[in-house]
Amino acid sequence: DVKVTQSSRYLVKRTGEKVFLECVQDMDHENMFWYRQDPGLGLRLIYFSYDVKMKEKGDIPEGYSVSREKKERFSLILESASTNQTSMYLCASSLSWGYTFGSGTRLTVV
Amino acid sequence: GQQLNQSPQSMFIQEGEDVSMNCTSSSIFNTWLWYKQDPGEGPVLLIALYKAGELTSNGRLTAQFGITRKDSFLNISASIPSDVGIYFCAGSRNSGNTPLVFGKGTRLSVIA
Repeated sequence: DVKVTQSSRYLVKRTGEKVFLECVQDMDHENMFWYRQDPGLGLRLIYFSYDVKMKEKGDIPEGYSVSREKKERFSLILESASTNQTSMYLCASSLSWGYTFGSGTRLTVV
Repeated sequence: GQQLNQSPQSMFIQEGEDVSMNCTSSSIFNTWLWYKQDPGEGPVLLIALYKAGELTSNGRLTAQFGITRKDSFLNISASIPSDVGIYFCAGSRNSGNTPLVFGKGTRLSVIA
């Protein structure tokens, strides 16, 4: 069974901390994505990657960066966490349009 | 970025009722997809539609790809409590490396 694994289900961090959200897929997919999900706003794309060491900005990249050093791993970095980054973060991978999502990380910044 | 117009935003229905939700866009898509997100989980693909006019079923779920390629609907017949969740539509242009465009979701609540 194909899997996208996000390292933490719940995370609480302090304002100003550097935060790493990790995502690993075991399907040898080329494409990986990071979304944030907020009530009433749906899924908003932060960053995506179509290959190792390659990254593209999504719709809301401000305050975030990403790293993809290996094909199976895509990390989302909050350089200096702020309270408005409190949200559910979802990672996904795909070969084409059929995305497989992880279970999400609910991040609270206090 | 573009988002699809998905409606309704939320629905409260009685168990056993049929449900209908839809998605529209100002531009054309070549593939339409419907995902369901259970509480506390990531979205899971329910149905994929590849051709304008196509009608596809998956158990009690039926989805259609609009003739104009700018809309799609999802019907759920005889709803049950485990249908609770958020349903997302998504469109793909199948052009190069363009990510899916998602609707904002329809939150479905089923009253037993």
